Amino acid sequence: EAGVAQSPRYKIIEKRQSVAFWCNPISGHATLYWYQQILGQGPKLLIQFQNNGVVDDSQLPKDRFSAERLKGVDSTLKIQPAKLEDSAVYLCASSLRTSDANEQFFGPGTRLTVL
Amino acid sequence: SQQGEEDPQALSIQEGENATMNCSYKTSINNLQWYRQNSGRGLVHLILIRSNEREKHSGRLRVTLDTSKKSSSLLITASRAADTASYFCATDARGGGFKTIFGAGTRLFVKA
Repeated sequence: EAGVAQSPRYKIIEKRQSVAFWCNPISGHATLYWYQQILGQGPKLLIQFQNNGVVDDSQLPKDRFSAERLKGVDSTLKIQPAKLEDSAVYLCASSLRTSDANEQFFGPGTRLTVL
Repeated sequence: SQQGEEDPQALSIQEGENATMNCSYKTSINNLQWYRQNSGRGLVHLILIRSNEREKHSGRLRVTLDTSKKSSSLLITASRAADTASYFCATDARGGGFKTIFGAGTRLFVKA
């Protein structure tokens, strides 16, 4: 079974530039998550989709971050404009949504460096 | 904000010893999960324990959950160098729309 795919794996940009990340979840997984993981910390949920609807985006800095999941499959996360503090690994995960358990499968992540 | 808080922050042991990590959380949960993260395999799900369960085993892993104390522990028995990684607990808060919140993690180093 193919895992969660993410691209690019690495990205270096200057502050105030824009960047986009792409995620392809495991086939059949209804739920898709984007996390931000700053070095030395645990992943922080940015946004959660159920099919193509947003379940939670309470920690997404909406003035600069946006995400979409067209057709309930692939997803993109965009940062515009980037700040130095956005340097982190951006993880995408997917899960089958059951009533009380949601084992999440993570992609390899995109390491973003903002200079 | 992080719901789960792991303890200790870092742990160094010899191969063959047992490693115990603890997690405390703040609000009522549906379930609690443990994940492992290393540079080779990224973030990987280890085990899930539901709020009505008290103990669960998977291979060399043993997880306990005490909902009255809002805490969980992960025991790795007979550790191996390959167990070197960061370990995170993640909680699904009740009434939170199944939003998963990760702790800051315990960094385990197993010396060969």
